[in-house]
Amino acid sequence: GDSVTQMEGPVTLSEEAFLTINCTYTATGYPSLFWYVQYPGEGLQLLLKATKADDKGSNKGFEATYRKETTSFHLEKGSVQVSDSAVYFCALTPNTGNQFYFGTGTSLTVIP
Amino acid sequence: NAGVMQNPRHLVRRRGQEARLRCSPMKGHSHVYWYRQLPEEGLKFMVYLQKENIIDESGMPKERFSAEFPKEGPSILRIQQVVRGDSAAYFCASSPPTGRETGELFFGEGSRLTVL
Repeated sequence: GDSVTQMEGPVTLSEEAFLTINCTYTATGYPSLFWYVQYPGEGLQLLLKATKADDKGSNKGFEATYRKETTSFHLEKGSVQVSDSAVYFCALTPNTGNQFYFGTGTSLTVIP
Repeated sequence: NAGVMQNPRHLVRRRGQEARLRCSPMKGHSHVYWYRQLPEEGLKFMVYLQKENIIDESGMPKERFSAEFPKEGPSILRIQQVVRGDSAAYFCASSPPTGRETGELFFGEGSRLTVL
């Protein structure tokens, strides 16, 4: 079945460091891919998305490129801030139906 | 334009009691999802509903848990005879009928259940 596997955390970085959180997926056809972010005490909110191969989603300095050849959607940011401390979830929805599949989440802590 | 509304935000129950969690989706959304998040764990899918129909309940425990999304009113996740292991944050999310085209789930802020 469809699934998402993401890099386990927790991840701790110094401010202005480069961030990569790996995400790979298993799906038939052409799913849409997402990154969601959960700040402490809140619900999840969409960070960025890509709906077809080679698309790049971007928002708030974060980027992820839909790579069908490697079935990956890695999240990157060139210079993290303390305010980026949160849990990040990779997710997919298949090209048929409305189900959404989430990874287990990666906790990021950015220290000054 | 109100977002997904969940209540209560915090609920405390004693073992054996019932917990009812409510979720009002965003206006115009007819698809509701329930997820459970345990401390230090990821987001676990429980159930996916459309108005008056359960589409996928493969993530929901067979006993004590039930969910509904009536024609009128909020979606309700019901946990009977709660046990300590039910303590978790329960998140509701909604999407419009064309959820896959817009590609986004809208989450509520969660209901945090504590079982004493």
